[in-house]
Amino acid sequence: QLQLQESGPGLVKPSETLSLNCIVSGGSISTSTYYWGWIRQPPGKGLEWIGSIYYSGGTYYNPSLKRRVTTSVDTSKNHVSLKLTSVTAADTAVYYCARLQGLWVDYWGQGTLVTVSS
Amino acid sequence: QSVLTQPPSVSGAPGQRVTISCTGSSSNIGAGYDVHWYQHLPGTAPKLLIYGNSNRPSGVPDRFSGSKSGTSASLAISGLQAEDEGDYFCQSFDSSLGGIHVFGPGTKVTVL
Repeated sequence: QLQLQESGPGLVKPSETLSLNCIVSGGSISTSTYYWGWIRQPPGKGLEWIGSIYYSGGTYYNPSLKRRVTTSVDTSKNHVSLKLTSVTAADTAVYYCARLQGLWVDYWGQGTLVTVSS
Repeated sequence: QSVLTQPPSVSGAPGQRVTISCTGSSSNIGAGYDVHWYQHLPGTAPKLLIYGNSNRPSGVPDRFSGSKSGTSASLAISGLQAEDEGDYFCQSFDSSLGGIHVFGPGTKVTVL
């Protein structure tokens, strides 16, 4: 059974960079069928797609976040990473790691809450 | 504001049938993009319930069904059970703004 587990600091200061990792177990991140993505949900609000990455490194991002987002894959460690720069309180959210099959998510991580506050 | 709209909540007694609507526009559902549904129970990771408008992944009971028409889609839960209580949200793709995955705000299902 595929499992995705997000990890990273739960508190980030304004203007700093949010960095998260997603460890994938029970399957290889290098499978050609899938993209790996990040999705977030601010408190009391709906889900927002952040971006997706292919195992070979190809990416596509939400235009509203594109200037601040970088995703990467490490096939040797079977993990995906997210970096979001110049964070503000508006970036406070539960961040989910996800596997995308086509245009839908077939597996989600449990999510990790990141709070932006000084 | 979510690009897709859903009712905030629906409720039903055990055994009843409830439906959740997901309304979009001509740049997403109306443009022909499929709708997918997810179940998010408290304390768990979201789970894929329906993909491609009406397809159930292996292991999802046939009590869950999906449909799509025009700029809207629906998720139906028949034979409602206590363990179905949770949040349900829809997702599609939107061709505006360069092409992005979009989500509904979620609907809270309460089993009375």
